[in-house]
Amino acid sequence: GAGVSQSPSNKVTEKGKDVELRCDPISGHTALYWYRQSLGQGLEFLIYFQGNSAPDKSGLPSDRFSAERTGGSVSTLTIQRTQQEDSAVYLCASSPRAGGAQETQYFGPGTRLLVL
Amino acid sequence: QKEVEQNSGPLSVPEGAIASLNCTYSDRVSQSFFWYRQYSGKSPELIMSIYSNGDKEDGRFTAQLNKASQYVSLLIRDSQPSDSATYLCAVNPKALYNQGGKLIFGQGTELSVKP
Repeated sequence: GAGVSQSPSNKVTEKGKDVELRCDPISGHTALYWYRQSLGQGLEFLIYFQGNSAPDKSGLPSDRFSAERTGGSVSTLTIQRTQQEDSAVYLCASSPRAGGAQETQYFGPGTRLLVL
Repeated sequence: QKEVEQNSGPLSVPEGAIASLNCTYSDRVSQSFFWYRQYSGKSPELIMSIYSNGDKEDGRFTAQLNKASQYVSLLIRDSQPSDSATYLCAVNPKALYNQGGKLIFGQGTELSVKP
C-alpha cells in the first residue's frame, strides 16, 4: 500500500518568507508526527497529533512554527518568517492507533528546506 | 546528559562479521525501544522494536534490552555492504508502552561494512 507522502520534496526560500510543508499519512493511521533533522544532527521531535486529541506541541522550537491536521488526515507544518537555522529535512511519520506493535512510526521521504 | 546516547562512529566491520551497535537512555520509565536504519539522503526505516528485557531476533538482526542498565543494543550478524548506513536508536519516553507519542532519537551510529 501507499506509504507516507510529503510535499514538496525540496524547498528553497528566502529568509523572512513563510513556508508550508504537507504530509499525507498512511491511510487509516490516526497518529501523525513531525520531526526535523538538521545536517549532522539526530531527529528532533516537533509535534504529534493523535485522533481528535489536543496535539502535543512540546517540540516546536518557537512560535514561528505551527501545524494543523484537517479532517484527521493531511497535515500542514507552517514556518513563518523563516530563518537560516530552520534549514533542515522535515520528516513526517504516521502510526496506527496505539496498541501492540501498532505504535511503530513509519516515515515519509521528507522535505528538504533550505533558507537562503 | 542526552536522553538517548549512541556512539557516532563510524563503526567499521568486515563483510561477514557481527556489527554491534549500542544505545543508552536516561529516562528510567521508558518502555518502548526502536532501531531505525537510515541510508544517506533517505528517511529512516524501522528495523526492530523491543519492549521486554532480553533478546529479540529477526533474521540477521537481534535487539537486546536491559532496562535495569538502561541499555539497548542491535546486533547484525553476517554483515553485508548493503548494511552500511546510519542506525538510529529511538525511545518512547512514556511510562506505559503502546501509548503512542513522540520518539526521542539518538544521534545515530554510522556503520560501514567493508567487502
